[in-house]
Amino acid sequence: DVKVTQSSRYLVKRTGEKVFLECVQDMDHENMFWYRQDPGLGLRLIYFSYDVKMKEKGDIPEGYSVSREKKERFSLILESASTNQTSMYLCASSLGLAGGPYNEQFFGPGTRLTVL
Amino acid sequence: AQKVTQAQTEISVVEKEDVTLDCVYETRDTTYYLFWYKQPPSGELVFLIRRNSFDEQNEISGRYSWNFQKSTSSFNFTITASQVVDSAVYFCALSEALKLVFGKGTKLTVNP
Repeated sequence: DVKVTQSSRYLVKRTGEKVFLECVQDMDHENMFWYRQDPGLGLRLIYFSYDVKMKEKGDIPEGYSVSREKKERFSLILESASTNQTSMYLCASSLGLAGGPYNEQFFGPGTRLTVL
Repeated sequence: AQKVTQAQTEISVVEKEDVTLDCVYETRDTTYYLFWYKQPPSGELVFLIRRNSFDEQNEISGRYSWNFQKSTSSFNFTITASQVVDSAVYFCALSEALKLVFGKGTKLTVNP
């Protein structure tokens, strides 16, 4: 079974802090994704990576950056956290890209981040 | 751009009722994939099914069934004889180039 783990289930940070959210997958998947989920807005893609050291902006990249130094690990960074970044953050991975086979994404348990 | 619409924001049923969750999509691609995911109260999205645009055969898995109709751009999900454990938010998604586009989700509550 694919296992996607996220470093924290709950996180509380203060405005202006630098925040790191870590995601690790154990199935040698090429592609990894970061989403945020907010009530009424569904899942919105922040960034994704289709290879080590490669990254692509999603629909809402502003205020975020990412790092993928190793295939299994994809980090989401909030350089200076703000209250409007309070949200549920979901990491996912897939073997193939969305347009081809093996494209189902497998999700981690999520990190609920609160910025005070 | 691709779009996925789940018009039902919330549905509430009584156990053993059948329930259908609607998903309508828009795409200009001739080859695409559709997905359903379940998000129980614990929060983790669980992959349920993937369908490609060339396969319009309906699929059944236990109490779950999916009806894919290209003519109406719909990929609906039916739960037969619903159970309390089916209570969750269900998301429909569509492939777009390198990523998936998700609908806003339908919250299903099954009452005992």
